[in-house]
Amino acid sequence: NAGVTQTPKFRVLKTGQSMTLLCAQDMNHEYMYWYRQDPGMGLRLIHYSVGEGTTAKGEVPDGYNVSRLKKQNFLLGLESAAPSQTSVYFCASSWGSEAFFGQGTRLTVV
Amino acid sequence: AQSVTQLDSQVPVFEEAPVELRCNYSSSVSVYLFWYVQYPNQGLQLLLKYLSGSTLVKGINGFEAEFNKSQTSFHLRKPSVHISDTAEYFCAVRPMDSNYQLIWGAGTKLIIKP
Repeated sequence: NAGVTQTPKFRVLKTGQSMTLLCAQDMNHEYMYWYRQDPGMGLRLIHYSVGEGTTAKGEVPDGYNVSRLKKQNFLLGLESAAPSQTSVYFCASSWGSEAFFGQGTRLTVV
Repeated sequence: AQSVTQLDSQVPVFEEAPVELRCNYSSSVSVYLFWYVQYPNQGLQLLLKYLSGSTLVKGINGFEAEFNKSQTSFHLRKPSVHISDTAEYFCAVRPMDSNYQLIWGAGTKLIIKP
């Protein structure tokens, strides 16, 4: 009964390094999302996908790329990390009215 | 376009006292409404939702919310809070003409004082 699983849970990057965050869901949901959460700013949508092979920009897409090659996986990439990308990242999936969230990835860029 | 405003960034309340967390929204189309809860160092989970029908909605852990269409509000209430309710609470709306779009409020931290 995994739901939405994010890996890794924590990561420290140096400025300019790249990394990929993985999100996997086992609920056969069509829609998947990547959010970032910063203090006092709520959740901001980075990118989303409405189905396998599709991606779209959200509210704050700059500096991030995504891919959805398989329905169950949604990858978030940072090509050249910047300190402004220090945040907690949440993946979510939905089909119908409710969204289900992963436990989050705490990323620090130094 | 839609927007969600949570009027209080923090709400301190004594244990066993009642609490109300306020949420107002703005939308040019009809919306579905949600409250999510985020416990410390965890992801968000659904507390309750309004899709249609009775405007008073009951959720998990003794919470309830009332949809007021004329005031475009969806305030969350609990008659008696416990220390375990310490969390951040997020209000969100989804336009009825979208299957995936969610618009989030900035969150309200509920602080329970012993």
